[in-house]
Amino acid sequence: EVQLVQSGAEVKKSGESLKISCKGSGYTFDTYWIAWVRQMPGKGLEWMGVIYPGDSETRYTPSFEGQFTISADKSISTAYLQWSSLKASDTAIYFCARHRGGNGWSFEHWGQGTLVTVSP
Amino acid sequence: QSALTQPASVSGSPGQSITISCTGTNSDIGAYKYVSWYQHHLGQVPKLIIYDVSNRPSGVSDRFSGSKSGNTASLSVSGLQVEDEADYYCLSYTRTYGLVFGGGTKLTVL
Repeated sequence: EVQLVQSGAEVKKSGESLKISCKGSGYTFDTYWIAWVRQMPGKGLEWMGVIYPGDSETRYTPSFEGQFTISADKSISTAYLQWSSLKASDTAIYFCARHRGGNGWSFEHWGQGTLVTVSP
Repeated sequence: QSALTQPASVSGSPGQSITISCTGTNSDIGAYKYVSWYQHHLGQVPKLIIYDVSNRPSGVSDRFSGSKSGNTASLSVSGLQVEDEADYYCLSYTRTYGLVFGGGTKLTVL
């Protein structure tokens, strides 16, 4: 069974750094793209970026680029989303999701979400 | 980048059918067959219900169907059930910046 298990909720202050994780199991981790998706309070889903753990190729949505870093450690089947200096506007639920496979771009398996709360 | 355009809300009665549109451009929906749809109940994890415009993953009810015409993709739900009440999002590959979600549509089953 494919599973994505994300790290727990975080409460931080503006300016602090943070790294959240998404651990995959039940499949060959380094052969499927992993995406990160943001949902701000009361808002819709937003695409942030995606990584291919096999070679760490990473693609960011231009409007988000520079605001965070996506990485992966295939030796422990884990993808990461990290910030060097959080802002209050980073308060959101962050989901990781695994590519369905094949030529398309759809995501069938999702982590449970990580709530990040950043105080001003 | 601009999100794909979806109606903010749609509604229907149990047993009825509804359609949710997702409008993009000839750089995303119009250019690729990589449109997917997600059902998101509040407090839960998004669920893939349609991929590659019109395909259903295993286990998804055949009451859900997808299509595309030009720059607009559509999700249809037939035989509405109370449990269909949720937010629905389209997602498309784009030539310029990877992938982009629609703004989301709240489906209310009256």
